[in-house]
Amino acid sequence: QKEVEQNSGPLSVPEGAIASLNCTYSDRVSQSFFWYRQYSGKSPELIMSIYSNGDKEDGRFTAQLNKASQYVSLLIRDSQPSDSATYLCAVNRWGQGGKLIFGQGTELSVKP
Amino acid sequence: DGGITQSPKYLFRKEGQNVTLSCEQNLNHDAMYWYRQDPGQGLRLIYYSQIVNDFQKGDIAEGYSVSREKKESFPLTVTSAQKNPTAFYLCASEVATGAGELFFGEGSRLTVL
Repeated sequence: QKEVEQNSGPLSVPEGAIASLNCTYSDRVSQSFFWYRQYSGKSPELIMSIYSNGDKEDGRFTAQLNKASQYVSLLIRDSQPSDSATYLCAVNRWGQGGKLIFGQGTELSVKP
Repeated sequence: DGGITQSPKYLFRKEGQNVTLSCEQNLNHDAMYWYRQDPGQGLRLIYYSQIVNDFQKGDIAEGYSVSREKKESFPLTVTSAQKNPTAFYLCASEVATGAGELFFGEGSRLTVL
């Protein structure tokens, strides 16, 4: 089992719809969770972080964390073509020095 | 402007040659990282350094080497022992290990001919 798992996609949604990206992790002691966005051929950039159970909203983005189910998600409301990118879920591996471990990423395509 | 500079952006290497990828940051960050990304895959950690003159192996360190002689610099050498070196290499820094907000350079794309 991979430590951080995501559906690789591609996930295709129409413009204006809600895009839902999911991530599961295996290490129960993980404490911090992050979403990075990576445009094709570019480097990743941090868009959201979440540390406690529940929802965290930032503009059109909402991160959701459920530690009991070891599940973190990212919702993108009113999706725009400019949101088309690969979204990487990352988890702090506290038991091994706090390094981030990344999922394989979900490719999102927003169709006009 | 503060940031991370990687060079070269594109590099071609013949089999059996060592190559060194440069990574320089002026963010005054203590922690620096090297990741490898293959098509359709996430980031895999090669090496990381939490402080000057100290570094640790990541998950896929075989065939790679690093040094951290200065806080600003963390070069990666891809040696001839790396069996499949063609990949996109990303350098990142973090204010301190575990903070979670990585700042990435633009990446170096290495192709072995």
